Amino acid sequence: QQQVKQSPQSLIVQKGGISIINCAYENTAFDYFPWYQQFPGKGPALLIAIRPDVSEKKEGRFTISFNKSAKQFSLHIMDSQPGDSATYFCAATRAGNNRKLIWGLGTSLGVNP
Amino acid sequence: DVKVTQSSRYLVKRTGEKVFLECVQDMDHENMFWYRQDPGLGLRLIYFSYDVKMKEKGDIPEGYSVSREKKERFSLILESASTNQTSMYLCASSLRQPNFYGYTFGSGTRLTVV
Repeated sequence: QQQVKQSPQSLIVQKGGISIINCAYENTAFDYFPWYQQFPGKGPALLIAIRPDVSEKKEGRFTISFNKSAKQFSLHIMDSQPGDSATYFCAATRAGNNRKLIWGLGTSLGVNP
Repeated sequence: DVKVTQSSRYLVKRTGEKVFLECVQDMDHENMFWYRQDPGLGLRLIYFSYDVKMKEKGDIPEGYSVSREKKERFSLILESASTNQTSMYLCASSLRQPNFYGYTFGSGTRLTVV
């Protein structure tokens, strides 16, 4: 049973548009929610992360929105650029368990010029 | 620049061969992980280690083993390679709590078993 559900599986947006990727989780013990970005031929790289004591975190054009009551969090990419074309993974983890990440299945984002 | 280094970017092996994938990190991280990545299946955890000589099975350990003799090095072993083990293999490392800030990944090894 998948503990972190990510949608959509793929997404195409126009340059300058907003890209939105959603994730839902089940385990209320999760306390750290990162997003990773992966370019072809590379390993995933940490993009931005949030803890459940805040509802939003922004770093440049990337924002995480977090809804604790709905057990959902989302990644918003403002002013999307062709260089943002990549696969994005959400994940979650809880204290203990040596911080093993539970992963969504990923979203392939394409940004058209 | 901190990094996780995987010894090979591309590897082609024959069915039945014993295959070693090596991973080295220079960040003094306690935790190390091996994943495989296949289209549509995301990142699946094979094994992880939270200390030298310690290992725990992940979600898909069958057909694999691991070795961690030194803190900086974590090896994945395919005992007898099969074609269904053709995949991208990713190594990652992390600090333990309270210093955890996420995983650092290597660039991956694309393994083809023929």
